Amino acid sequence: QSALTQPPSASGSPGQSVTISCTGTSTDIGAYNSVSWYQQHPGKAPKFMIFDVSKRPSGVPDRFSGSKSGNTAFLTVSGLQTEDEADYYCASHAASNTFIFGGGTKLTVL
Amino acid sequence: QLQLQESGPGLAKPSETLSLKCTVSGASISNSDYSWGWIRQSPGKGLEWIGTIHYSGTTHYNPSLKSRVAISIDTSKSRFSLNLSSVTAADTAVYYCARQRGYADYVGYWGQGLLVTVSS
Repeated sequence: QSALTQPPSASGSPGQSVTISCTGTSTDIGAYNSVSWYQQHPGKAPKFMIFDVSKRPSGVPDRFSGSKSGNTAFLTVSGLQTEDEADYYCASHAASNTFIFGGGTKLTVL
Repeated sequence: QLQLQESGPGLAKPSETLSLKCTVSGASISNSDYSWGWIRQSPGKGLEWIGTIHYSGTTHYNPSLKSRVAISIDTSKSRFSLNLSSVTAADTAVYYCARQRGYADYVGYWGQGLLVTVSS
């Protein structure tokens, strides 16, 4: 069970949009509509941002959106704000009732 | 509001068993829609799913850790536990307890995390 593949870093200026990719296989992202995304600030526990590919839990701004195509999922952050600077992790349900995370992407707001 | 609180030793010796507990408050640990799990994060690294347990006792584990992991649950105390055997320095990490939908779906709630260092 290898980690999902994310770019190590991404960046954008305030007000811009940035998209982070998350690539898996036909036994995880490609097989289930169960992709989730998490935001983690330094020294803090991760925060749940997106579930079921594109749904937002209550309290998450609609600037955060998710999508999926084949074996790859995407997180888009629109209207970047300084507080969006954090690490972002994707995750997916996988075969045999297991769960797998991506390696994480450090988002820098320039 | 659901809260999860990890507890246990912050230091473990190599080759020994790491034992942590997670106390659940604000929601029923016996809700059949969710499982209770452990996730860890080595210093400066990404998140790694360890496994989950449903109140029925059904467990699911990360294949890479399965031979060393045991997760148990005590519904009467609203608590679940992690045992990780034969630990090495590579098991040094912040350990989070969490609630996941189903057996192994999104993590809706996280504990604050507990740093466990493996060192002699």
